[in-house]
Amino acid sequence: SQQGEEDPQALSIQEGENATMNCSYKTSINNLQWYRQNSGRGLVHLILIRSNEREKHSGRLRVTLDTSKKSSSLLITASRAADTASYFCATVLPGSSNTGKLIFGQGTTLQVKP
Amino acid sequence: NAGVTQTPKFRVLKTGQSMTLLCAQDMNHEYMYWYRQDPGMGLRLIHYSVGEGTTAKGEVPDGYNVSRLKKQNFLLGLESAAPSQTSVYFCASSRTQRDTGELFFGEGSRLTVL
Repeated sequence: SQQGEEDPQALSIQEGENATMNCSYKTSINNLQWYRQNSGRGLVHLILIRSNEREKHSGRLRVTLDTSKKSSSLLITASRAADTASYFCATVLPGSSNTGKLIFGQGTTLQVKP
Repeated sequence: NAGVTQTPKFRVLKTGQSMTLLCAQDMNHEYMYWYRQDPGMGLRLIHYSVGEGTTAKGEVPDGYNVSRLKKQNFLLGLESAAPSQTSVYFCASSRTQRDTGELFFGEGSRLTVL
């Protein structure tokens, strides 16, 4: 079964609004990563947050991690049409750090309307 | 640098035919992975390699074989294609050994099995 579950599955907003998507996972983790996938393209790494971190920023991206709730959220502020894409969370399970294996969620499809 | 390159980008097979997908990376990464992406299923790990000459099974290895004869190349083979293997296949690589960092993805190979 999938380790990560994103919520919502789809999100549609207007340009300039903020977009929040959530990821829940089932087991303890070493770190959690977020990736973006534009239609028909490969995935691109956005940000990594380690299990001992609670919040991390990168440009217009803000990621939080709550290990007690086994959940993470990705906030995109002041969204742009170019942010239209699918967003995936991915986790590294304890014991997998020497193999680099990532387990991906099913993704949130974000549409930003101009 | 080209990053991660997958060939071919598109392929149509008949049931029972065989084929090989080639992944090449020019970043001198130790780790390489093959994922498949299906609608509503996210990405699932097929096989992976932590170094030249080594391979290991992921979540969904049945029906696939892999080889890593050279550090820069990771081959995914289908010996007898089945319609259930219709999917988009992604290769990825990563650098770190001590802790898992970001994955670098290719653009994908879309395979249709009739």
